[in-house]
Amino acid sequence: KQEVTQIPAALSVPEGENLVLNCSFTDSAIYNLQWFRQDPGKGLTSLLLIQSSQREQTSGRLNASLDKSSGRSTLYIAASQPGDSATYLCAVTRRGGSEKLVFGKGTKLTVNP
Amino acid sequence: DTEVTQTPKHLVMGMTNKKSLKCEQHMGHRAMYWYKQKAKKPPELMFVYSYEKLSINESVPSRFSPECPNSSLLNLHLHALQPEDSALYLCASSQGVTPSSNEQFFGPGTRLTVL
Repeated sequence: KQEVTQIPAALSVPEGENLVLNCSFTDSAIYNLQWFRQDPGKGLTSLLLIQSSQREQTSGRLNASLDKSSGRSTLYIAASQPGDSATYLCAVTRRGGSEKLVFGKGTKLTVNP
Repeated sequence: DTEVTQTPKHLVMGMTNKKSLKCEQHMGHRAMYWYKQKAKKPPELMFVYSYEKLSINESVPSRFSPECPNSSLLNLHLHALQPEDSALYLCASSQGVTPSSNEQFFGPGTRLTVL
């Protein structure tokens, strides 16, 4: 059974700092991994999707990496801003069920001005 | 249009009521999803529709009844709910369900409270 873990559960940083969020998964047989952002009481916003054949994806200040063999992904946020405060979720789609996302519990990020 | 919309934003209902949640997308996506999210938990998949056919039902109680009238619309009919069904209900869509087309885009959700 695929399990996804995100560490830390919460993170508080001062504005301007570069930071890394971690995601690990137990079964390396994945199709892809998706990072989402969720503001309190709101829906999920897709940030980046990495296919299993890719090593990284970049969008603006965000960079996501994938090491499938070790079951790890990181989301790097450069020059953090208070507007980045949210919960960040990673999710994988496993082989044999690419329509099913398996989510981690998320990292709650607070960026202090 | 790159948006998934959901109505209503908030819904309060009694245990004997019948209500419906609605979801719409105009991105030409052929897969649509219902998720349930409790506070401080990740979303849990309920149903998946692919090309307007139900492809996954995650053992959801029959008091939740999904419907996909066409490729742009997804409904969730609610009847005889329990207070523990109170949650944020999220709709999502993707181009398809294959690995190259399954990036999911979510709506803002409907906050449901069952009294």
